[in-house]
Amino acid sequence: AQSVAQPEDQVNVAEGNPLTVKCTYSVSGNPYLFWYVQYPNRGLQFLLKYISGDNLVKCSYGFEAEFNKSQTSFHLKNPSALVSDSALYFCAVRDMDMGRRALTFGSGTRLQVQP
Amino acid sequence: SQTIHQWPATLVQPVGSPLSLECTVEGTSNPNLYWYRQAAGRGLQLLFYSVGIGQISSEVPQNLSASRPQDRQFILSSKKLLLSDSGFYLCAWSVRAGVNEQYFGPGTRLTVT
Repeated sequence: AQSVAQPEDQVNVAEGNPLTVKCTYSVSGNPYLFWYVQYPNRGLQFLLKYISGDNLVKCSYGFEAEFNKSQTSFHLKNPSALVSDSALYFCAVRDMDMGRRALTFGSGTRLQVQP
Repeated sequence: SQTIHQWPATLVQPVGSPLSLECTVEGTSNPNLYWYRQAAGRGLQLLFYSVGIGQISSEVPQNLSASRPQDRQFILSSKKLLLSDSGFYLCAWSVRAGVNEQYFGPGTRLTVT
């Protein structure tokens, strides 16, 4: 079975400071990893994914995530947080059952950026 | 471009009443479709997924059911709602081939009273 752990319920950071939202995973084969963001009462919005290749993946919103196979981690980072980044962040892993193509989500981490 | 719609946006229903939530996708063909429930604003629970018309897989035993009458239409139903059915219901789609991310709809907030 595949699983994802987000060890922090909430992360607090001051605007302009760097932020890290942690994610570790457990899969039987090669992991396909995703980050999503959710604003209040909205659906999830895709941020970025790791499938293979370069361990550092980036998106257009200023976020990046680094795949670390030895530590089974896929932490989300931003070098300079904005108040508007405050939201709920989910890490997800692709299920290895190819027919399902379903994602297993972590429990979410609430990011609070203070002005 | 592709878009995904869900309706209604909010719903308040009494215990024991029926339920029908609808999800439609535009701008793509043969998508995989998913229903998730999010309780207490946190983790997502996969309820159903579909890889084609009439093909539904259930992830957890419950009093909900899903149907896919058309390629880009996914319906979540119940004959009799329970209090525990309250939550935020999210529909999502993904491209069938390859390793692709899922795209989520705006969600339906269901409150069972």
